[in-house]
Amino acid sequence: DAGVIQSPRHEVTEMGQEVTLRCKPISGHNSLFWYRQTMMRGLELLIYFNNNVPIDDSGMPEDRFSAKMPNASFSTLKIQPSEPRDSAVYFCASSATRGTEAFFGQGTRLTVV
Amino acid sequence: QKEVEQDPGPLSVPEGAIVSLNCTYSNSAFQYFMWYRQYSRKGPELLMYTYSSGNKEDGRFTAQVDKSSKYISLFIRDSQPSDSATYLCATQGGRFGAGTRLTVKP
Repeated sequence: DAGVIQSPRHEVTEMGQEVTLRCKPISGHNSLFWYRQTMMRGLELLIYFNNNVPIDDSGMPEDRFSAKMPNASFSTLKIQPSEPRDSAVYFCASSATRGTEAFFGQGTRLTVV
Repeated sequence: QKEVEQDPGPLSVPEGAIVSLNCTYSNSAFQYFMWYRQYSRKGPELLMYTYSSGNKEDGRFTAQVDKSSKYISLFIRDSQPSDSATYLCATQGGRFGAGTRLTVKP
């Protein structure tokens, strides 16, 4: 298995634009997590899906952020409209079940100018 | 209060030193505890996994959980420059500490 695949690796966008980050979890994993990492705040859990259903979205910072998981092999995190303070590295991770090891993708480095 | 608290450091030690990294957590129901290691510009990777209280050893690494005080620790013996990375503690809820950046100097 190729591991968790995220795209794009880097994204530079202007303030106000829509940004869509994509994630392909490891096949057979039924838990998927989206994280945001910054120097100031560390690794923050944004949302957790189990069997494609959002279970915990309490970490989603505001209504500008939305996440979907239409099937077991694909998830998106969308920011609309983007703001400079959204600049961070966004990680997607998947695990077989919630209590077990999470495997992380390489991350998407987002810069909003 | 964050569910998992971790001193972000940074921490700098000479090669060969014993390193102690620590976290506290708030939810007494947590049973699974993990330590991840993250190298620069990479995603975190699992280093140690423990269930409930007690110690777990893997080579130069020892993970310790004290559920009575809600305290988890990672010890690195004979630290090497290749251990230089950010170390993050985590619980079963997918909750991570802030991460401690460790530098081991030759």
